[in-house]
Amino acid sequence: AQSVTQLGSHVSVSEGALVLLRCNYSSSVPPYLFWYVQYPNQGLQLLLKYTTGATLVKGINGFEAEFKKSETSFHLTKPSAHMSDAAEYFCAVSGPGANSKLTFGKGITLSVRP
Amino acid sequence: GAGVSQSPSNKVTEKGKDVELRCDPISGHTALYWYRQSLGQGLEFLIYFQGNSAPDKSGLPSDRFSAERTGGSVSTLTIQRTQQEDSAVYLCASSFQRGGGEEQYFGPGTRLTVT
Repeated sequence: AQSVTQLGSHVSVSEGALVLLRCNYSSSVPPYLFWYVQYPNQGLQLLLKYTTGATLVKGINGFEAEFKKSETSFHLTKPSAHMSDAAEYFCAVSGPGANSKLTFGKGITLSVRP
Repeated sequence: GAGVSQSPSNKVTEKGKDVELRCDPISGHTALYWYRQSLGQGLEFLIYFQGNSAPDKSGLPSDRFSAERTGGSVSTLTIQRTQQEDSAVYLCASSFQRGGGEEQYFGPGTRLTVT
């Protein structure tokens, strides 16, 4: 069984500040990890993913995340927040193999203050 | 190219009625997923189709829910005898399955309201 924990439901940062969104996972098999973003009234869009190889992955819009197996974490960061980053962010996990159904965390709403 | 499309975008129905939600995946994508997004439960997996294999129905919440995928392309999610707790946004996603970890491309969703 797999699960994802995203602590808190809302994060607020100032424009230009560091963005840090936390994600911890539980998986009995080597996980594939994802961050998706959902802008208001839109579908989900992939920000980045980790499958194998380099544990620091870079995604779109300046976001990156680091897979830390010892901490079972996959936190999302961005050095400098932009107003356009305001959205809901979901961390998700799937197992290896053909059935890549995603197990999502509850999501975190990011607000960016001018 | 065209992304995943879903119809209708909004559906309001009376409790007890049946509804059909449609998903058109990206052409050539072999895998198709349905998820449900609701305030109380977050994003939940419902069902997965891959080629001609038997679908994974493990996420369907009750036997009132069913889905089919015709010709390996279009999929329809049917909810019979709708209940108020079925109100949610139903999301469809597709991917080109190669063995795991592929990006799923999501449609804009169908917002279902059961009155």
